[in-house]
Amino acid sequence: DTGVSQDPRHKITKRGQNVTFRCDPISEHNRLYWYRQTLGQGPEFLTYFQNEAQLEKSRLLSDRFSAERPKGSFSTLEIQRTEQGDSAMYLCASSFLGGTGVEKLFFGSGTQLSVL
Amino acid sequence: AQSVTQPDIHITVSEGASLELRCNYSYGATPYLFWYVQSPGQGLQLLLKYFSGDTLVQGIKGFEAEFKRSQSSFNLRKPSVHWSDAAEYFCAVGARGTDKLIFGTGTRLQVFP
Repeated sequence: DTGVSQDPRHKITKRGQNVTFRCDPISEHNRLYWYRQTLGQGPEFLTYFQNEAQLEKSRLLSDRFSAERPKGSFSTLEIQRTEQGDSAMYLCASSFLGGTGVEKLFFGSGTQLSVL
Repeated sequence: AQSVTQPDIHITVSEGASLELRCNYSYGATPYLFWYVQSPGQGLQLLLKYFSGDTLVQGIKGFEAEFKRSQSSFNLRKPSVHWSDAAEYFCAVGARGTDKLIFGTGTRLQVFP
């Protein structure tokens, strides 16, 4: 169990640029989640995948945001035309959905995005 | 509406003192309740969870929490705090079969020697 990996750890970009983050979940986990955390707040759910299928998207996820998990393994989160309000920590988490339901979410260390 | 309230934004305790962090929730269905800890620049680590059964649950690092349905609360406790416990603590609520959790705004714990 190598844990959930996120890359990069930090990203500074100018307003209007596109950015892409990557998440590698724990290998046997079939569910992958993206959360966003702003300063002084708890994480907020953005979207999640079961294997390669994106099952739910939050209303927080505007059209500028897109997430993929093409082979049911790693995932990418892309933000187009970034805005200053997109500055936040983007957290990825994974879990295994088994017969008894989900037991535990494992979080990565996050990608801190700063939009100048 | 589903929500989690952590009324204490910041708590300061002396090392060795007892600790209680408050959490109240509003949830339509039977809630699954969690406490996570986050150190600066790190992801969240699960301390403990309550799904059903005994309302007093034990977690890692000597933490425990008690589910009180009548008060819609799930307070976190530790009898003796260590300096390494200084971190941000988040309470969260969810439903069975999903990790789509709703988090509170967190309580920052500061520990003085």
